[in-house]
Amino acid sequence: EIVLTQSPGTLSLSPGERVTLSCRASQSVSSTFLAWYQQKPGQAPRLLIYGASNRATGIPDRFSGSGSGTDFTLTISRLEPEDCAVYYCHQYGGSTSFGQGTKLEIK
Amino acid sequence: EVELVESGGGLVQPGRSLRLSCAGSGFTFSSYEMNWVRQVSGKGLEWISFINHKGNSIYYADSVKGRFTISRDNAKNSLYLQMNSLRAEDTAIYYCVREGVSMVRGVMINGYFDHWGQGTLVTVSS
Repeated sequence: EIVLTQSPGTLSLSPGERVTLSCRASQSVSSTFLAWYQQKPGQAPRLLIYGASNRATGIPDRFSGSGSGTDFTLTISRLEPEDCAVYYCHQYGGSTSFGQGTKLEIK
Repeated sequence: EVELVESGGGLVQPGRSLRLSCAGSGFTFSSYEMNWVRQVSGKGLEWISFINHKGNSIYYADSVKGRFTISRDNAKNSLYLQMNSLRAEDTAIYYCVREGVSMVRGVMINGYFDHWGQGTLVTVSS
């Protein structure tokens, strides 16, 4: 089983700032099989990025994904108050597993 | 608009059974692979089961193997999860999830979870 480790666990930033979330895999993951989700309190997760770098339908272009091998990144270029959420990475190459999540707080 | 609506959750005693349903609409249900994912309150996401579009390829997480059964009825646009021998640790919100498929620069990408239901809460307690 591929274990995904996200960092940091929690971060607090101000609107307008740039944020980078990390997802590290215990073994190499094809970039085709890496996704990111956003989950706001009381809501189901929402797909942000699939195939490591492809934005899902309706996702603002301030969200971007990158990475390969064992290191992947979700970047939010300019934080908005509504970006307050927990972010999960997900690998789906063969088996499937999620990272433990990064909680993003807006100051 | 794609919509997934779960039902069937509730309070159940340890050792008993429960059947969850998920009704899909706004897309050709029979063309898509489907999954169940659960989330303990305040915790992370745990994939528990997959079924392909025809219903003849099925996988389970070790945590539920032998106790849970996934199935689908494409004529009814519905996905099911039969949960037997329930334990306290099965208490969670259960999400019905569709797998997405896309062509990106000539490469097919599939397996990501592009649509989620709102979830149904299962509480296992005496």
